[in-house]
Amino acid sequence: DTGVSQDPRHKITKRGQNVTFRCDPISEHNRLYWYRQTLGQGPEFLTYFQNEAQLEKSRLLSDRFSAERPKGSFSTLEIQRTEQGDSAMYLCASSKGQVAKNIQYFGAGTRLSVL
Amino acid sequence: SQQGEEDPQALSIQEGENATMNCSYKTSINNLQWYRQNSGRGLVHLILIRSNEREKHSGRLRVTLDTSKKSSSLLITASRAADTASYFCATGPQSLTGTASKLTFGTGTRLQVTL
Repeated sequence: DTGVSQDPRHKITKRGQNVTFRCDPISEHNRLYWYRQTLGQGPEFLTYFQNEAQLEKSRLLSDRFSAERPKGSFSTLEIQRTEQGDSAMYLCASSKGQVAKNIQYFGAGTRLSVL
Repeated sequence: SQQGEEDPQALSIQEGENATMNCSYKTSINNLQWYRQNSGRGLVHLILIRSNEREKHSGRLRVTLDTSKKSSSLLITASRAADTASYFCATGPQSLTGTASKLTFGTGTRLQVTL
């Protein structure tokens, strides 16, 4: 158990619907990351936060995607008007934010299926 | 986008044999890490090697890093059925500020260890 919790584990939705995922990081970690992973590929970076500030967003994060981390604790990732291409595993990770020990601890992921 | 490639894409060995996976990356790095992912689950950190290190050991794992060739290898000795998983290398970008940020993952090697 890595300590990072993601909810839900699975989400099935119809195209055009909005979905929201939640991530609870390890409590003392100030950095929180979102990645997306499609079948047979490695995780691809989406965005990350230091405390409540969103420091970087990938070009993969279209305007239909939004992420928040209110109060620097849990984070949510929302996808509006879902498309079939959004089907993937969405992974959350947290870390202490030091380069020398940028070890990221991952949650089990939320698997999204868009029908 | 993926940072680089892992080689081979898939590897099947018998229990007790050694498994070697290679990773190539494209940009200058602070460190390189290896993660394991069991089917449909989140990633688990295995080992981190800094850019000024050439080799590192942890239990049955041995990692080498050649920054001149932008490549790394992961050796798992005396493999077990429980080692069956996908293995990913991940790199963190160089940072002058000492702060950590996103990881860029390779495409992964799927290891199957049979009895």
